[in-house]
Amino acid sequence: EPEVTQTPSHQVTQMGQEVILRCVPISNHLYFYWYRQILGQKVEFLVSFYNNEISEKSEIFDDQFSVERPDGSNFTLKIRSTKLEDSAMYFCASSDFDGEAFFGQGTRLTVV
Amino acid sequence: KQEVTQIPAALSVPEGENLVLNCSFTDSAIYNLQWFRQDPGKGLTSLLLIQSSQREQTSGRLNASLDKSSGRSTLYIAASQPGDSATYLCAASRRYSGGGADGLTFGKGTHLIIQP
Repeated sequence: EPEVTQTPSHQVTQMGQEVILRCVPISNHLYFYWYRQILGQKVEFLVSFYNNEISEKSEIFDDQFSVERPDGSNFTLKIRSTKLEDSAMYFCASSDFDGEAFFGQGTRLTVV
Repeated sequence: KQEVTQIPAALSVPEGENLVLNCSFTDSAIYNLQWFRQDPGKGLTSLLLIQSSQREQTSGRLNASLDKSSGRSTLYIAASQPGDSATYLCAASRRYSGGGADGLTFGKGTHLIIQP
């Protein structure tokens, strides 16, 4: 069964460093998303991506964040200068036209 | 701005009971509503998707209903089993102007424990 895959599963980084989280969405999906979940809190929408551009972003998705689809399969989230409060589980998701979102297993980002 | 609320926050019941989990949303202009299951430290598993034009969806022992006018959805779990223990999340999306769904707004979830 097709699935969304994310790498790495866990990343530890020092404050101020750049990180890139990687995702391979389901191959025939058209819409791609990043979400985050701070420990003990609700899942929060960050950004959606369609037709090679951002379609929507939340207030969380500020200038420190960027997304890219560098080739036909990968979808990345870059955080330019990480802060302690960026520590969270980051989920990638993809969907087709019907909107059913399929999520990856997440990357746990720990900023120290 | 869409707000999604889930009641109860936690529920613990003996095995075999039928359960109802509640979800409410403030903006009825949704594209779809989706129920997920999340196990501790894991990703989200899609359980059921209800399009805005639909009233309910069923998958095995799960049945989800949608009432847009009242801003409510319920997830019904029949004959609960210990393996159903998890956090259940409700999420609503809006229609993206280019078609398809925009980002999901999630509730905080219902933490369900089924006692053997």
